[in-house]
Parts: sequence; C-alpha cells; structure tokens
Amino acid sequence: AQSVSQHNHHVILSEAASLELGCNYSYGGTVNLFWYVQYPGQHLQLLLKYFSGDPLVKGIKGFEAEFIKSKFSFNLRKPSVQWSDTAEYFCAVNARGGKLIFGQGTELSVKP
Amino acid sequence: GAVVSQHPSRVICKSGTSVKIECRSLDFQATTMFWYRQFPKQSLMLMATSNEGSKATYEQGVEKDKFLINHASLTLSTLTVTSAHPEDSSFYICSARSKLAGGPLYNEQFFGPGTRLTVL
Repeated sequence: AQSVSQHNHHVILSEAASLELGCNYSYGGTVNLFWYVQYPGQHLQLLLKYFSGDPLVKGIKGFEAEFIKSKFSFNLRKPSVQWSDTAEYFCAVNARGGKLIFGQGTELSVKP
Repeated sequence: GAVVSQHPSRVICKSGTSVKIECRSLDFQATTMFWYRQFPKQSLMLMATSNEGSKATYEQGVEKDKFLINHASLTLSTLTVTSAHPEDSSFYICSARSKLAGGPLYNEQFFGPGTRLTVL
C-alpha cells in the first residue's frame, strides 16, 4: 500500500535558521510529489511539486525540495526561515486513481 | 486560475440533523473531486473520490450511507453528513482535479478552504 512518512512531528527553529523537513514515500510506480503548507486558520496551499525532470524543485516563498529516487525521498528545504513560515507542512504523493496520500504533517514553529 | 470554493465555511448543527457541504470549481471543469476530513493537529484523511456522473468511491472505513456524495456537474460536488453526531465534528476539505487529461492542471489537485462542522 502507498504511504508517506514525515520524520518530524514538530520542529522549532529560530528565525534565519535553515530548515529541512524529511519525507519518504512508499510507492512502486511513477510518482508525482507535492509539498503543501497550511497556515494557522487557512486552507491548504501548494508550495511546490515534482512531476518529472530536474529533481531539484523550486517553489514559492524560497522553498525547494529534492527528489531522490533511490531513497524514495522528497525533502523540503529553506535556507533561512522567517517567523511567517510558522505553519503545518504536508508531504503528499499522487497515487493510483489520482488520489493524494498525505504524510502525517510537520508543525513548524519559528521563534522571532 | 484553478480556484475551488466551499460553502458553508462554518456550520453548527444539532445532533440528528443533516448537513450539506458544497464544493465548486470556479474557473475550470473538474471530472474528479475528492473529499477529505481533517482532525485537529492531524493530517488529511481521504474519505471518497467523486467522479462526475457516477457513484463515489469510498475509502475503507468510511460509511457511504452516512456521508452522501453527489457530483452532479463538472463544477459541483456535494457532501451530505446525514444524521450528524458530535463525533462527526471535523474539518471537511474538498479538492478538484481538472478534466483536461494531459493538460497542465491534470495531475494536480486544487483545494477548497474547508468547512468546519460542529455538531452539538
């Protein structure tokens, strides 16, 4: 069965620190991978996506992610976080039938 | 482009009543819409996949008689929570996928803002 695992449940960083959120997936076929962000009280927004091509994907707000096929990973990174990045982050894989399988989510708290 | 709306954004109802939530794709046609449920501090759980003009496909453990889904047009899907109980209180989110296979939007789901349901 397809699954997505996010390594960190809650990450606390100070402003300007670098961020890396882990995401591993289990799916044997061709994958489309996504990172979504949910700011407090707001709806899900797409940060970035990988369909094919360059495994290093750049998204909005300075985020990027790297698809490493051999490791079944799609980690999210940002070189310098801001207080406004405080949010819940979800990794997802597009499985058979177009369904999205979400990871458990990682809560990011950035201290000013 | 690719905007999805949900109505209502928030609803409070008495136990035993039914509640209907609408999901609309505003600027594209959606062959497929998905309904998710999100508990506080938890991830999104897929409830069902709704295809226009056909019966919804429910995920394991989701009661289809409890959560009625109708996808009557390419821009509208509805979720009706029948005989709601307090344990049905949750955040319900829909998403929509474009009709155009092979088009730039096809492999991506666009999410609505969610509906907060509180059953007293």
